[in-house]
Amino acid sequence: DADVTQTPRNRITKTGKRIMLECSQTKGHDRMYWYRQDPGLGLRLIYYSFDVKDINKGEISDGYSVSRQAQAKFSLSLESAIPNQTALYFCATSGDRNQPQHFGDGTRLSIL
Amino acid sequence: AQSVTQPDIHITVSEGASLELRCNYSYGATPYLFWYVQSPGQGLQLLLKYFSGDTLVQGIKGFEAEFKRSQSSFNLRKPSVHWSDAAEYFCAVGGTGGFKTIFGAGTRLFVKA
Repeated sequence: DADVTQTPRNRITKTGKRIMLECSQTKGHDRMYWYRQDPGLGLRLIYYSFDVKDINKGEISDGYSVSRQAQAKFSLSLESAIPNQTALYFCATSGDRNQPQHFGDGTRLSIL
Repeated sequence: AQSVTQPDIHITVSEGASLELRCNYSYGATPYLFWYVQSPGQGLQLLLKYFSGDTLVQGIKGFEAEFKRSQSSFNLRKPSVHWSDAAEYFCAVGGTGGFKTIFGAGTRLFVKA
């Protein structure tokens, strides 16, 4: 089984819909992250969490929200999806500060 | 501010040829440096990391990278490329003073027979 699992793997939806992307991990890491990947832009950080009581905005948090339901679960929500949120979304985890991150396989989200 | 530049958007090499992917970083303190690889339909996988010590680091799949502080570079190398190395490669930087890792835009590697 994968250490970092993202669901769904693919999603197509319409503008204005609410969408939740889920991430669960079995690595026992406290730190979890949500990124979006766009061609030519690399990965950009949306939100990150250092533990269940600690949530922080990344560089592109507008239009997104997150919930850390447990150490192992970190979900990303788009309250009202818009087409420019079409992207590949990754969840990642890490141990101590600046340790390498472990990535899920991504969710490809298309908003029509 | 932290930044990472990967000057080459894509590179094509012949199978069996050597490879060097460039990475330049900007960081005000001691950098933590990483190279990740992303195969199609998958997440990023760590190839290697540099925290301190020997400036030539070995990674998985036969890759190595050299940290050159004077040039603010952390280039990735492989002496003989295999077709299975075709993927996108990301350089990333973090540091002792921060808690965020910054990723470069990536270099896509094509391998021709």
